[in-house]
Amino acid sequence: QQPVQSPQAVILREGEDAVINCSSSKALYSVHWYRQKHGEAPVFLMILLKGGEQKGHEKISASFNEKKQQSSLYLTASQLSYSGTYFCGTEGTGTGNQFYFGTGTSLTVIP
Amino acid sequence: NAGVMQNPRHLVRRRGQEARLRCSPMKGHSHVYWYRQLPEEGLKFMVYLQKENIIDESGMPKERFSAEFPKEGPSILRIQQVVRGDSAAYFCASSQYQSAPSSYNEQFFGPGTRLTVL
Repeated sequence: QQPVQSPQAVILREGEDAVINCSSSKALYSVHWYRQKHGEAPVFLMILLKGGEQKGHEKISASFNEKKQQSSLYLTASQLSYSGTYFCGTEGTGTGNQFYFGTGTSLTVIP
Repeated sequence: NAGVMQNPRHLVRRRGQEARLRCSPMKGHSHVYWYRQLPEEGLKFMVYLQKENIIDESGMPKERFSAEFPKEGPSILRIQQVVRGDSAAYFCASSQYQSAPSSYNEQFFGPGTRLTVL
């Protein structure tokens, strides 16, 4: 039930773009994205609540394809501060505990 | 506006002792979540609480672990008779009430408690 993220790790040079994918085997109601820097707590980035919704946050945006049970996080013109581990969190449509964090994607931006 | 507070930040226990981790949610937040994170791994959901009510504890081990969120005071995650495998970072998060149909709102995380079992 844990969503799977890909890639597991990526290294970028400053200014390059990256896409992080999150796939679930369950039907989803919402997808959350968080970033965690080493040794720190996760920080909320955004929630996507509807199928097909896209949201943006400066140069970080995301899409949610409800039918495919997938979400993608887009980082454009990456900055050194973008380095960290990105987690998606998914909320299912059934009853009971339906919130799971994904496997994580380690992103390293180098000068 | 103070964020989510957790204490202690670091806790060392010997095998068989009890560990008590405290979490004070952000002001105005009525929901608390506890997660466990092993080194270089992701966040594993443990329990989701409202004041005086456990909403979901499906991620909690059946034995030795318990959580509460009393009407007054912080939420407490209690681990009895700790073992070395309990060593991890334990994060608490809080959120405002989220109306249906979505049950999960933006979560604000505390700095975590790093538990080491000797």
